[in-house]
Amino acid sequence: DGGITQSPKYLFRKEGQNVTLSCEQNLNHDAMYWYRQDPGQGLRLIYYSQIVNDFQKGDIAEGYSVSREKKESFPLTVTSAQKNPTAFYLCASTTQGHIDEKLFFGSGTQLSVL
Amino acid sequence: AQSVTQPDIHITVSEGASLELRCNYSYGATPYLFWYVQSPGQGLQLLLKYFSGDTLVQGIKGFEAEFKRSQSSFNLRKPSVHWSDAAEYFCAVGGFFGNQFYFGTGTSLTVIP
Repeated sequence: DGGITQSPKYLFRKEGQNVTLSCEQNLNHDAMYWYRQDPGQGLRLIYYSQIVNDFQKGDIAEGYSVSREKKESFPLTVTSAQKNPTAFYLCASTTQGHIDEKLFFGSGTQLSVL
Repeated sequence: AQSVTQPDIHITVSEGASLELRCNYSYGATPYLFWYVQSPGQGLQLLLKYFSGDTLVQGIKGFEAEFKRSQSSFNLRKPSVHWSDAAEYFCAVGGFFGNQFYFGTGTSLTVIP
């Protein structure tokens, strides 16, 4: 079945450590997104990519980095510069410029600080 | 600037009662509007979307929403709530060349027997 796979489901980060969250999709979607979810704050956009080898910062990109070397993959690295990384991270993808455009979501990664 | 407001943080309804979740948006162009539902610890699932045409749209699980341009609203409704509807509901605007999707802060729904 087509969909978006996020891994791991749970992740723990030590002080000063970089961690990478995986996001893979087999929907042949062009655009991919990373959102951060905190209680009471909804979804906030971290980064998005509309095409391979290109990506743009969202509203809260500081302390995060991404790459888009393959169409199906959009990993997110939470760097040590992100001082408050504890949150639920959601990856999403969509076709673009299509009347049936809608976001498909992965099942999320819960990141916590040790 | 584009934004979405969900004024109700938390709503409690009795099973079998009707439900209306409010959503107001601010968007510079023709809005494409969405409602998503999220169960705890899970991703978001699309309930319904509005692009154009009939302003009353039907979705999955018996939900519907009405687009009112004059009020910049896209409220979600269900005539009879089931216990399984307890979840977090998000309204969103964007898409279709807009590159970004903007989400509201969500409304948490509790259903009591």
